[in-house]
Amino acid sequence: AQSVTQLGSHVSVSEGALVLLRCNYSSSVPPYLFWYVQYPNQGLQLLLKYTSAATLVKGINGFEAEFKKSETSFHLTKPSAHMSDAAEYFCAVTPGRGSYIPTFGRGTSLIVHP
Amino acid sequence: EAGVTQFPSHSVIEKGQTVTLRCDPISGHDNLYWYRRVMGKEIKFLLHFVKESKQDESGMPNNRFLAERTGGTYSTLKVQPAELEDSGVYFCASSQDRVYGGTIYFGEGSWLTVV
Repeated sequence: AQSVTQLGSHVSVSEGALVLLRCNYSSSVPPYLFWYVQYPNQGLQLLLKYTSAATLVKGINGFEAEFKKSETSFHLTKPSAHMSDAAEYFCAVTPGRGSYIPTFGRGTSLIVHP
Repeated sequence: EAGVTQFPSHSVIEKGQTVTLRCDPISGHDNLYWYRRVMGKEIKFLLHFVKESKQDESGMPNNRFLAERTGGTYSTLKVQPAELEDSGVYFCASSQDRVYGGTIYFGEGSWLTVV
């Protein structure tokens, strides 16, 4: 069985500051990993995904995430936060075999201060 | 191309009443999923259809929940009778192929409040 832990239900940053949202996973087989974002009053949108190619994955809106097998992590970063990045971010994992169904974390709400 | 659409977007019902949520997947997507998020908790898987067949319904909480996908197109999720703990956001998603690591496209969710 797989699971996802997102550290911090809320992360607050100033506009222009580094964004770091943490995600650790547990999977008995090599995983596929995803970050989704939910902007206010919108659905979940795929930001980026790791599918066993490059360990550093670039996504939309300047976000990127690095797969670190030794740390079982897939943290999401952005060098400079914009006000428009304020949203809820969800990390998800799908095992490399056995199930196509992603398992989600609890989400991290990103707050961006002017 | 239209995305995954869900109806209603918001619903407030009394405990004991019935609510039916509808999901229209992206055209041509055989795979349809239902997820639920209770306030502050993780997004939890409910069930997965492949065309009109239930492939995995291991996440359905109890027999008050009934999902259907007649004809393999749109799906409905009925809650009858609704309880307070059913409040939350119900997400529908769809995907074209069953591929490990494939992208699943989500709708905007149906927000259900049971009072």
